[in-house]
Amino acid sequence: GENVEQHPSTLSVQEGDSAVIKCTYSDSASNYFPWYKQELGKGPQLIIDIRSNVGEKKDQRIAVTLNKTAKHFSLHITETQPEDSAVYFCAVSSGGSYIPTFGRGTSLIVHP
Amino acid sequence: NAGVTQTPKFQVLKTGQSMTLQCAQDMNHEYMSWYRQDPGMGLRLIHYSVGAGITDQGEVPNGYNVSRSTTEDFPLRLLSAAPSQTSVYFCASSDKRGRWFFGPGTRLTVL
Repeated sequence: GENVEQHPSTLSVQEGDSAVIKCTYSDSASNYFPWYKQELGKGPQLIIDIRSNVGEKKDQRIAVTLNKTAKHFSLHITETQPEDSAVYFCAVSSGGSYIPTFGRGTSLIVHP
Repeated sequence: NAGVTQTPKFQVLKTGQSMTLQCAQDMNHEYMSWYRQDPGMGLRLIHYSVGAGITDQGEVPNGYNVSRSTTEDFPLRLLSAAPSQTSVYFCASSDKRGRWFFGPGTRLTVL
């Protein structure tokens, strides 16, 4: 089955800095790559996604990049704010099943 | 729309007891799933369903049963609770684009 590795497990930054979280996957047939944000005591929430026919996607301060050849994708958060503090999960799925495999999560801490 | 709802929010069981975690969605999604979340382990798939009457096992199905009699509801049954099933359980449903929407979770403690 699919194997998803996510790094780092913890990321601590100062407010205003950028944060980058990276994920690698194993199945070359995977074609959908979402990112989820989980705030304390809540369920994960989709924040951005990318499909295999696109290399980069931006939404305000967040962006995702995909390198299908190397089988890795990354989440970039610019101008971080304290409210960005949360656990972020990457996920991978392939068309047809849409059942995602999740990374183990990155705890992002933004210090004011 | 209420989205994905889960009940109860918290539950304490004794070893050997059984219970059902309820999940409902009002978005007419065909796909639904159950995950458990443990520290350092991320989200692990227990069971999923691709439509009413169709269910399949995920990564960690042992000790859990599911059924899907309607599009809206996808209950998760613990047959005989064990301390290893202490976890936070999330139900989710997916639209046709593969985007998953999660419920608020049920925090279960088995003593």
